[in-house]
Amino acid sequence: DAKTTQPNSMESNEEEPVHLPCNHSTISGTDYIHWYRQLPSQGPEYVIHGLTSNVNNRMASLAIAEDRKSSTLILHRATLRDAAVYYCILTRDDKIIFGKGTRLHILP
Amino acid sequence: EPEVTQTPSHQVTQMGQEVILRCVPISNHLYFYWYRQILGQKVEFLVSFYNNEISEKSEIFDDQFSVERPDGSNFTLKIRSTKLEDSAMYFCASSEPTFVGQGYSSPLHFGNGTRLTVT
Repeated sequence: DAKTTQPNSMESNEEEPVHLPCNHSTISGTDYIHWYRQLPSQGPEYVIHGLTSNVNNRMASLAIAEDRKSSTLILHRATLRDAAVYYCILTRDDKIIFGKGTRLHILP
Repeated sequence: EPEVTQTPSHQVTQMGQEVILRCVPISNHLYFYWYRQILGQKVEFLVSFYNNEISEKSEIFDDQFSVERPDGSNFTLKIRSTKLEDSAMYFCASSEPTFVGQGYSSPLHFGNGTRLTVT
């Protein structure tokens, strides 16, 4: 599976937008970009995914660079409940392989 | 919203014993998975299951492990002769595959896991 690179951790203030970056310079044409998160003591949770175009859903937005070598997960207004590990994952089949992700801390 | 449920939430067993972890996937899903997470480490893929057979498995999923879908609703992971290093959170997931062009995009839905403690 193609590799992604994410910062180990990030901090953000409550009620402010959060931009979580992900680099995937070896992405192939059939790789989808998936984002999952894992809240403390819970199983991973799907957040959003996309292929080429930017995507929005009720949880977040996904901005994909034109060359697809990077993407950004945007939480529009972070709450304390958004404190979690966020995983950026590339997949072209049914298997999701988790890396270390970005641990997001939300400051009240 | 439908969800994946796992039982028990916590299982304690002695080394060498067999355990069965149970999962009820979302009812219209066709792909099923098991993952594990050792404390403080990343989530690791174990196995995927489709059409009543294993579609892919990792190096971790050796002869000690087996999966089964005994009826239309349950999906189980059996660990024979448990070892101390099998202590971990075990997550079940399911998905409804959607093939778009040559790619695959359907999200996985995870349960909240079973914490297995081997003593």
